[in-house]
Amino acid sequence: EPEVTQTPSHQVTQMGQEVILRCVPISNHLYFYWYRQILGQKVEFLVSFYNNEISEKSEIFDDQFSVERPDGSNFTLKIRSTKLEDSAMYFCASSDPSGGTDTQYFGPGTRLTVL
Amino acid sequence: DAKTTQPNSMESNEEEPVHLPCNHSTISGTDYIHWYRQLPSQGPEYVIHGLTSNVNNRMASLAIAEDRKSSTLILHRATLRDAAVYYCILRPHSGYALNFGKGTSLLVTP
Repeated sequence: EPEVTQTPSHQVTQMGQEVILRCVPISNHLYFYWYRQILGQKVEFLVSFYNNEISEKSEIFDDQFSVERPDGSNFTLKIRSTKLEDSAMYFCASSDPSGGTDTQYFGPGTRLTVL
Repeated sequence: DAKTTQPNSMESNEEEPVHLPCNHSTISGTDYIHWYRQLPSQGPEYVIHGLTSNVNNRMASLAIAEDRKSSTLILHRATLRDAAVYYCILRPHSGYALNFGKGTSLLVTP
């Protein structure tokens, strides 16, 4: 069964450093998402991406964040200058509304630790 | 966004049915009712969704009240693997973000 993959599984970085989290969505999907979950808290939406542009973003997704689909398979989330409060699990998801259900399929997540 | 209300936690015995309730009194006519779950240390996983009629799939059943102001996710025979946080989410259209609440933490005991 197709699945969303994410790399790395765990990223440790120093405050102020740039990080890039990578995702490979399911190949025929058209919508791509990033969510995050701070330890012990709820899953929070960051951004959705469709047709090579951001279609929706939350208040969390400020100028420190950016997303890109650099080729036909990868979808990346960049945090320009990490803060301690960026420590969280980051989940990528993808969906294909054309099938009618528009189920979002989530990856296993990347645990980001900012020191 | 229309909001949902779920109990913080529920407990079930293994191999018994589980009924997870969700209230959504401010649901609009175009909102779909989605259920996702999150197993420990994993990403969320789709369970089921519906609009007006009851729905069944291999994982669960979804019973939707006639006035659509509440719904119930039914796990017909809970297993230990079903221990997870279950989220009831209203979603107006395709391609929109999922607005996760705190969900219901389901504990399944042998």
